[in-house]
Amino acid sequence: EPEVTQTPSHQVTQMGQEVILRCVPISNHLYFYWYRQILGQKVEFLVSFYNNEISEKSEIFDDQFSVERPDGSNFTLKIRSTKLEDSAMYFCASIKPGHRGGNEQFFGPGTRLTVL
Amino acid sequence: GENVEQHPSTLSVQEGDSAVIKCTYSDSASNYFPWYKQELGKRPQLIIDIRSNVGEKKDQRIAVTLNKTAKHFSLHITETQPEDSAVYFCAASKRNFNKFYFGSGTKLNVKP
Repeated sequence: EPEVTQTPSHQVTQMGQEVILRCVPISNHLYFYWYRQILGQKVEFLVSFYNNEISEKSEIFDDQFSVERPDGSNFTLKIRSTKLEDSAMYFCASIKPGHRGGNEQFFGPGTRLTVL
Repeated sequence: GENVEQHPSTLSVQEGDSAVIKCTYSDSASNYFPWYKQELGKRPQLIIDIRSNVGEKKDQRIAVTLNKTAKHFSLHITETQPEDSAVYFCAASKRNFNKFYFGSGTKLNVKP
C-alpha cells in the first residue's frame, strides 16, 4: 500500500540555522499538509497546499516558514532561522478527496526536529 | 476560526469495558470529522470518520456519533483491549479540506 514518506527521521540543528524537512506524498494525492506536534501535545496545523500554492496557513506559519513542491513529487518545509521552540515532531500528510468516497488523511512517519 | 475541544484528557478503563471520548466544535460549516489513533512515537492513523450528513457510523468495535445541532461528536470503543491503549485525537474540517483542527487528545489506558 502506498505510504507518505519523510526524511530525515531526526534532525538536530543549532539555533539560527536553516533546516529543510522533506516529504514524498502519495503520488495521486492532491492536498498536502504540514503539521507539528510538540512532545505530549496535540497535532497543530501549519499549512495546506493545493494546486501548487498555499491554501491556508496558521498563525504559527510565519515568515520563517516556507513550503515548496519543487518537482511534482517532493513537498518540503523550510524553516529559515530555527528557534528553540521549533523543536517538535513535524508530520507531512496528504489527501485524495473523494477516493472511494472518503477523505482519509495519510500521515508520514514524522521528522523529529531538535534545536539546540 | 474553528475551535475543537476534547474530553477527557485521560481515560482509564478495564479490559472489556467501553470507552467514550467526546469532542465539540464551534464552526457550523465544519462537515467532516475524523478520529485518529496515535501510538507512542508513531504517526496518527485514521480509525473512523463521519460526515455531517450522517448521524452515526460503526466499524466493528468502534463507532462515532455526530450531533450537528449541538456541535458535538463522540468516539465509542466497545470491548476494549490492551492494544487499544493509545492517544486518540478528534478533528474537524470543512468541505474544502484546507485546514484540519485537532482536539487536544485523549490518552486511553486499557488495563488487562
